[in-house]
Amino acid sequence: QQQVKQSPQSLIVQKGGISIINCAYENTAFDYFPWYQQFPGKGPALLIAIRPDVSEKKEGRFTISFNKSAKQFSLHIMDSQPGDSATYFCAASGGGGFKTIFGAGTRLFVKA
Amino acid sequence: DSGVTQTPKHLITATGQRVTLRCSPRSGDLSVYWYQQSLDQGLQFLIQYYNGEERAKGNILERFSAQQFPDLHSELNLSSLELGDSALYFCASSTRTSTDTQYFGPGTRLTVL
Repeated sequence: QQQVKQSPQSLIVQKGGISIINCAYENTAFDYFPWYQQFPGKGPALLIAIRPDVSEKKEGRFTISFNKSAKQFSLHIMDSQPGDSATYFCAASGGGGFKTIFGAGTRLFVKA
Repeated sequence: DSGVTQTPKHLITATGQRVTLRCSPRSGDLSVYWYQQSLDQGLQFLIQYYNGEERAKGNILERFSAQQFPDLHSELNLSSLELGDSALYFCASSTRTSTDTQYFGPGTRLTVL
């Protein structure tokens, strides 16, 4: 009930390509779904977040697609750049609780 | 810079010892969260405090404890340390609840020898 499953574990994309990371959750009470980006030696930083009342949110090259019925959401990085190489975590929280459950993370490497 | 500070940055200690990690949240944030990140476990939620009170508990061992003080800084105490406790420990803060943006500190790297 509290798990967030994230895939793939690692991803290699050519510069200019599209990076896609997928997450699935179980608890239908979750109502906030953020994505965090983490560079080596740094703490995670919020990249983009969505609430379940919308199916898509776009900020620059980053887009979250949300499928409430399937309990899935995904991060799309358009025109991927070497500077995007980092670990990405999806997460889910809310439903009146205070926990944030993180996915296992995806290591993205963008080849120049 | 997220505005969240953590000390120390690195900590090396021996098995069986006790250590205290400190976190100062962003100005105005009332909630503090502690996470453990190890290579094979991702980010594990440990515990959350809101305005001095414990609000949520995750996979926190009984050997670990935390508190949030009146000035809103928080400390995570780890005792009877084991080799497996070696990890990065992150503190995050948010305005109120977990549905507010969490801002992460730079982390404390704990090495237990």
